[in-house]
Amino acid sequence: ETVMTQTPLSSPVTLGQPASISCRSSQSLLHRDGNTYLSWLQQRPGQPPRLLIYQISSRFSGVPDRFSGSGAGTDFTLTITRVEAEDVGVYYCTQATHFPYTFGQGTKLEIK
Amino acid sequence: QVQLQESGPGLVKPSGTLSLTCAVSGGSISRSNWWSWVRQPPGKGLEWIGEIYHTGNTNYNPSLEGRVTVSVDKSKNQFSLSLNSVTAADTAVYYCATYVAVTGRFDYWGHGALVTVSS
Repeated sequence: ETVMTQTPLSSPVTLGQPASISCRSSQSLLHRDGNTYLSWLQQRPGQPPRLLIYQISSRFSGVPDRFSGSGAGTDFTLTITRVEAEDVGVYYCTQATHFPYTFGQGTKLEIK
Repeated sequence: QVQLQESGPGLVKPSGTLSLTCAVSGGSISRSNWWSWVRQPPGKGLEWIGEIYHTGNTNYNPSLEGRVTVSVDKSKNQFSLSLNSVTAADTAVYYCATYVAVTGRFDYWGHGALVTVSS
């Protein structure tokens, strides 16, 4: 199974400041079809997960442009350019290149 | 936009069978999606359980294979999860979600159903 490791596990951030979360996979996420199936999900308190970013850097419909993704191979980053209060929650990276699909352990974003 | 709603018993006895249904609205279950189940133990992270295509093709997490079955009912536009021989470790919020293979993304999620395994 592909293990997804996120750092940090907790990220206190000041409103208006940037935040970034790293995700490392135990094997390359480059699929034989040439795509890399790495996504980022946001889970606000008491809510289901919500898709933010897919295929490393594509924003899903309705996602603010302050969210961006980057990376390749085994190392990926989610960046929030200016954190807003509504961004509080847990962020998960997930891979769908290899079965079974797996998730990172989650990074809790909180406001200082 | 597709909407998903989980339903089923909130309490299951140890060694029993957990059964949940996900009703799909806003689109046909016969569209080109995989229909997935993901669970989240209280206070913990996400675990993918398995998925089904409208043709009946399935994929399961090997950690649960042998105990899990995902099925589809196209006439009711819904799909279901069955997990047998449950223990307290299966206590979790169970989510249904759409998975689009061509983009490798879980597009939409249900609100989740808490299932507690306890006598």
